[in-house]
Amino acid sequence: AQSVAQPEDQVNVAEGNPLTVKCTYSVSGNPYLFWYVQYPNRGLQFLLKYITGDNLVKGSYGFEAEFNKSQTSFHLKKPSALVSDSALYFCAVRGHAGNNRKLIWGLGTSLAVNP
Amino acid sequence: DAGVIQSPRHEVTEMGQEVTLRCKPISGHNSLFWYRQTMMRGLELLIYFNNNVPIDDSGMPEDRFSAKMPNASFSTLKIQPSEPRDSAVYFCASSLVTGLARGSYNEQFFGPGTRLTVL
Repeated sequence: AQSVAQPEDQVNVAEGNPLTVKCTYSVSGNPYLFWYVQYPNRGLQFLLKYITGDNLVKGSYGFEAEFNKSQTSFHLKKPSALVSDSALYFCAVRGHAGNNRKLIWGLGTSLAVNP
Repeated sequence: DAGVIQSPRHEVTEMGQEVTLRCKPISGHNSLFWYRQTMMRGLELLIYFNNNVPIDDSGMPEDRFSAKMPNASFSTLKIQPSEPRDSAVYFCASSLVTGLARGSYNEQFFGPGTRLTVL
């Protein structure tokens, strides 16, 4: 069965420091992987995705993520955090098999960037 | 583009009443998703449509929930009768799936959500 784990409920980082939000997955075959961000009282916004190709994916707002097949991970990173990055971050996955468009979502990680 | 539009943004109702949530997907998108978000269970997919046809409704909690997509530009999620445990934020999202190739998968665009409170 497909699954996604975000092992940290909350991540705290000081402004200007690098940040990492972790995600691991389990899926049959090659995965499609996504990161979304949710600001308070808003819908989710797409940040970046990995479908195939280069393992390092760059996305919106200076975020990037690295696909690591051997560790089945897709951690979200940013070299220098901003206070405005404080939000809820979701990782999602689906497999290539079949035509099911359904994404499997992690429970989210709350990122707090302190001034 | 106006993005995904949901209405109402907030709904407060009493237990036993019928609730109808509405969604207008992004023009040209061919897949539509209904989600529910709560603190306890996070983000749950309720149902999704492809080309107006329901593909997977395994996430619909029970028969009190129903969803329709009569055309490519409109969908509804109905709860009848509503119960206090249905209180949540309900999101609609849409995406464009281009072609039949398995690599053709694009991101989902979310609406602002409807915050439902059932008293």
